[in-house]
Amino acid sequence: EVQLVESGGGLVQPGGSLRLSCAASGFTFRNYWMNWVRQGPGKGLEWVANIKEDGSEKHYVDSVKGRFTISRDNAKNSLYLQMTSLRVEDTAIYYCARDIGGSPGVFNIWGQGTMVTVSS
Amino acid sequence: QSALTQPASVSGSPGQSITISCTGTSSDVGGYNYVSWYQQHPGKAPKLIIYDVSYRPSGVSGRFSGSKSGNTASLTISGLQAEDEADYYCNSYAGSSTVYVFGTGTKVTVL
Repeated sequence: EVQLVESGGGLVQPGGSLRLSCAASGFTFRNYWMNWVRQGPGKGLEWVANIKEDGSEKHYVDSVKGRFTISRDNAKNSLYLQMTSLRVEDTAIYYCARDIGGSPGVFNIWGQGTMVTVSS
Repeated sequence: QSALTQPASVSGSPGQSITISCTGTSSDVGGYNYVSWYQQHPGKAPKLIIYDVSYRPSGVSGRFSGSKSGNTASLTISGLQAEDEADYYCNSYAGSSTVYVFGTGTKVTVL
């Protein structure tokens, strides 16, 4: 079964750091672009970052540039999101999502999400 | 990186057809044929229902269809069913620097 499972969410104070993980299974992880997408409480979806199959190319939404770092370990079939200088507005469910392959921005596999709460 | 504009809510009776619009600019929706649509039920992860403007992934009902004209993409749900009640989001590729932008989301209510 194709599956993505996120972990690492929790409560953190403003200015703090957190590292999210996404474990992939059921497909050849190293063959796909991977993404993080977030959804604030009661809000819409926001694409956060993505990373190329071999990790050589990364992109970020402006609001997280310089604070978040996306990475992957193809040997461990895992995707990561290192979040630093966290702000209250970063509070959201963070989803790991796989590209369909061949068409940009088509996320056909999603994890169940992990909740990040930034609050004092 | 402004979100694409969608109506906040759309409603219809069972069996009817509804259309959800997604308006962007020439830098995103109008500039590329890379618009996708997602369905999200409460407490669940989003599900891909349309990609590349009008293509349906395997397993998605034929009642869902997509189109685009200029800077506006549209999702049509035909033969509306109770299970279609959910939030719907569009997404567009927006170039190598902005990359991807989602729509504001539309809540579909089946009356």
